[in-house]
Amino acid sequence: LAKTTQPISMDSYEGQEVNITCSHNNIATNDYITWYQQFPSQGPRFIIQGYKTKVTNEVASLFIPADRKSSTLSLPRVSLSDTAVYYCLVGPGTKAAGNKLTFGGGTRVLVKP
Amino acid sequence: EAQVTQNPRYLITVTGKKLTVTCSQNMNHEYMSWYRQDPGLGLRQIYYSMNVEVTDKGDVPEGYKVSRKEKRNFPLILESPSPNQTSLYFCASSLTSGRAYEQYFGPGTRLTVT
Repeated sequence: LAKTTQPISMDSYEGQEVNITCSHNNIATNDYITWYQQFPSQGPRFIIQGYKTKVTNEVASLFIPADRKSSTLSLPRVSLSDTAVYYCLVGPGTKAAGNKLTFGGGTRVLVKP
Repeated sequence: EAQVTQNPRYLITVTGKKLTVTCSQNMNHEYMSWYRQDPGLGLRQIYYSMNVEVTDKGDVPEGYKVSRKEKRNFPLILESPSPNQTSLYFCASSLTSGRAYEQYFGPGTRLTVT
């Protein structure tokens, strides 16, 4: 599985847009990029997945450049409740090898009032 | 409501006393997995199961056992718990095709072994 690198922490303020960039230089052709969110003392929760270009859902947007060596999770107009750890994962998409998810260190996002 | 449940949510036990943490899902998912989360080490996979009677080791299987006799249940067994198994444990489930990348996690079980 491709190794990912993301910032350890980020601070933001309510109403701002938060962008978290993840580097994955060794991404394979059949790898997808998936983001999970984890609140304190809760299990991770799937946010979004993409392969290339841009994906948007009701929670976030995911931007993936043409070379796919990095990706950016964008959280629009964050609120205090968006304070969480965000994990970037890279691996096979619909039929992962053993469905294994490999979590890195994640990015701790703190939203301030 | 689609969910993964774990019991107990909190457990304090002593070294060597066998325990079982239960996990159940109501989404008819084929895939189930156990993770442990420790400060500074992130989430690490213990065991996983692709379907009934099919289980395999994850990254940190030592000291743990699992079984998958029914599709909905995937208990984690610690035959002889030790203090280094003090951790936060999560069970997860997903499909094995289609949106296989979207795993659903339980609320966690905080285990303390003294």
